[in-house]
Amino acid sequence: AQSVTQLDSQVPVFEEAPVELRCNYSSSVSVYLFWYVQYPNQGLQLLLKYLSGSTLVKGINGFEAEFNKSQTSFHLRKPSVHICDTAEYFCAVSDLLEYGNKLVFGAGTILRVKS
Amino acid sequence: NAGVTQTPKFRILKIGQSMTLQCTQDMNHNYMYWYRQDPGMGLKLIYYSVGAGITDKGEVPNGYNVSRSTTEDFPLRLELAAPSQTSVYFCASSYSQPGQPQHFGDGTRLSIL
Repeated sequence: AQSVTQLDSQVPVFEEAPVELRCNYSSSVSVYLFWYVQYPNQGLQLLLKYLSGSTLVKGINGFEAEFNKSQTSFHLRKPSVHICDTAEYFCAVSDLLEYGNKLVFGAGTILRVKS
Repeated sequence: NAGVTQTPKFRILKIGQSMTLQCTQDMNHNYMYWYRQDPGMGLKLIYYSVGAGITDKGEVPNGYNVSRSTTEDFPLRLELAAPSQTSVYFCASSYSQPGQPQHFGDGTRLSIL
């Protein structure tokens, strides 16, 4: 069964600084990868997804992620964060061999942007 | 479009009570899912459905039941509420093609006292 590890539970960063949120998944032949964002008291919103093709994926709000098959990683990056990026971020994987398009989520990383 | 709608938003139950969490979607998605979110644990899949009349267990199904009589609705039932079921519950839906993202409701915060 798939598993997802988000290596940092909390990441504090100053406004306008770059940030990287790390995600590793257990190895599989074919996976789809997702990053979701959750603002306080809201549901999850899709930031970006990797299905195939270019390993650098661009998403909403200036975020991007790089798929690295050899390291089974899918780290999320933003070159300059803003206060409004403060939220919890979840990495998720869908195994193509699993029925039902189910997602396995990491434990989440809370990004705190400070002024 | 309303997307995925969950009701109620908040609920407090006593131990042993039962209740149904409602979820409806207006995107004509075949696939629907129920998750629970606990602090520091991410989201865990409770049950999922790939179409009306078809449901299956996820990772943490014990203490819950579901039904799917229509494409739009996917209610989650707690029969005998226990303190361990205190959590935030999210419903999600997606198209059936592989790689389609799931769309989430705003959640139901449930406390069992």
